Amino acid sequence: QVQLQESGPGLVKPSQTLSVTCSVSGDSMNSDSYYWNWIRQPAGKGLEWIGRIYTSGNTNYNPSLRSRVTMSVDTSKSQFSLKLTSVSAADTAVYYCARGVVVVATGYFNGMDVWGQGTTVTVSS
Amino acid sequence: QSALTQPASVSGSPGQSITISCTGTIRDVGGHNFVAWYQQHPGKAPTLIIFDVSNRPSGVSNRFSGSKSGNTASLTISGLQAEDDADYYCSSYTTWSTWVFGGGTKLTVL
Repeated sequence: QVQLQESGPGLVKPSQTLSVTCSVSGDSMNSDSYYWNWIRQPAGKGLEWIGRIYTSGNTNYNPSLRSRVTMSVDTSKSQFSLKLTSVSAADTAVYYCARGVVVVATGYFNGMDVWGQGTTVTVSS
Repeated sequence: QSALTQPASVSGSPGQSITISCTGTIRDVGGHNFVAWYQQHPGKAPTLIIFDVSNRPSGVSNRFSGSKSGNTASLTISGLQAEDDADYYCSSYTTWSTWVFGGGTKLTVL
């Protein structure tokens, strides 16, 4: 049974770079059937999709964050990562990683079926 | 891309049915059938309850059902139970190969 676990710094100073990593266990990342997402949720607010990465390295980002986001993947470590630059208090949130499913034969996207428990990142001096 | 529009809150009594709407545009909800719904209990990660508009993952109760008409998707929960008290989020794939979430709906089981 696949599990995802986020890890992050907890506290980041304004204008610095936020870095979080998601470790995947219980199954291989090397499948064309999956892509790997980052989603965040400020306290008391809704979900915001940040972006996704395939194990090929192909990415798609939320247009509102695209200029500050970089995602990477390391299948040898079964990990994928998020970097968000020039952070401000507005970036304070719980950051989730999640596995997305795609049916290769049809190209259908079957939602995000496995989520990590989330890691809280606070931006403050 | 703009967030999909959901009602902030809905409520119902045990045993009743409720429906949550999710309105987007032709560039997301209305453009294809990649609409998903997630349930989130306080302090927990979201869980997938509906994908591709109306499909349930294995293990999800058949009390949950989804549909779509035009630019609006809907989640119906029948036979409400206390454990359904949670936040619900819709999500849609977009023409820009991104995902967008709705603002979320708080369901209160009275």
